[in-house]
Amino acid sequence: KQEVTQIPAALSVPEGENLVLNCSFTDSAIYNLQWFRQDPGKGLTSLLLIQSSQREQTSGRLNASLDKSSGRSTLYIAASQPGDSATYLCAVWGGNTLQGAQKLVFGQGTRLTINP
Amino acid sequence: NAGVMQNPRHLVRRRGQEARLRCSPMKGHSHVYWYRQLPEEGLKFMVYLQKENIIDESGMPKERFSAEFPKEGPSILRIQQVVRGDSAAYFCASSTPRGAYEQYFGPGTRLTVT
Repeated sequence: KQEVTQIPAALSVPEGENLVLNCSFTDSAIYNLQWFRQDPGKGLTSLLLIQSSQREQTSGRLNASLDKSSGRSTLYIAASQPGDSATYLCAVWGGNTLQGAQKLVFGQGTRLTINP
Repeated sequence: NAGVMQNPRHLVRRRGQEARLRCSPMKGHSHVYWYRQLPEEGLKFMVYLQKENIIDESGMPKERFSAEFPKEGPSILRIQQVVRGDSAAYFCASSTPRGAYEQYFGPGTRLTVT
């Protein structure tokens, strides 16, 4: 059974700092991994998707890496801003494309606060 | 280019009533997923549907919960005889049947059972 863990559970840093959020998963047989952002009381916004054959993806100030063999992904945020404050969720989509295997398994999230 | 639509955004029901949550996937998407987020917990998969077919309902509670995705119209998550423990945010996601299988999420329906 796939389990996803995110560390730390909460992080508070001053504006302008670079930071790294961590995600680990127990079953390395994943098809892809997605990073999401969730603002309080709101839905999920997809930030980056990394397919299993890829090592990293970049979008603006965000960079996500994937190491399937070790079961880890990191989300790097450069030059953090107060508007980056949110909960960041990591989710893996597992195994294969057969029907019945198509569901995301989520971590508990990292609650990020960027202080002005 | 509308995203995933969910309605209502907020729903209040008394214990014992029925709740119906609707989800319209993104244009061109034929796969729909429902997830539940209980207070202070992570998102948990409930059910995966394609048009007129339930593909995987391994995350659905055994009783009172049902889901459908008819040939025409939105996907419906139905909760009968709601209890306080059903209070949660229910999210719908959709994806295409090919490619990267990236899932796009709706804004969610926040169900409160009084």
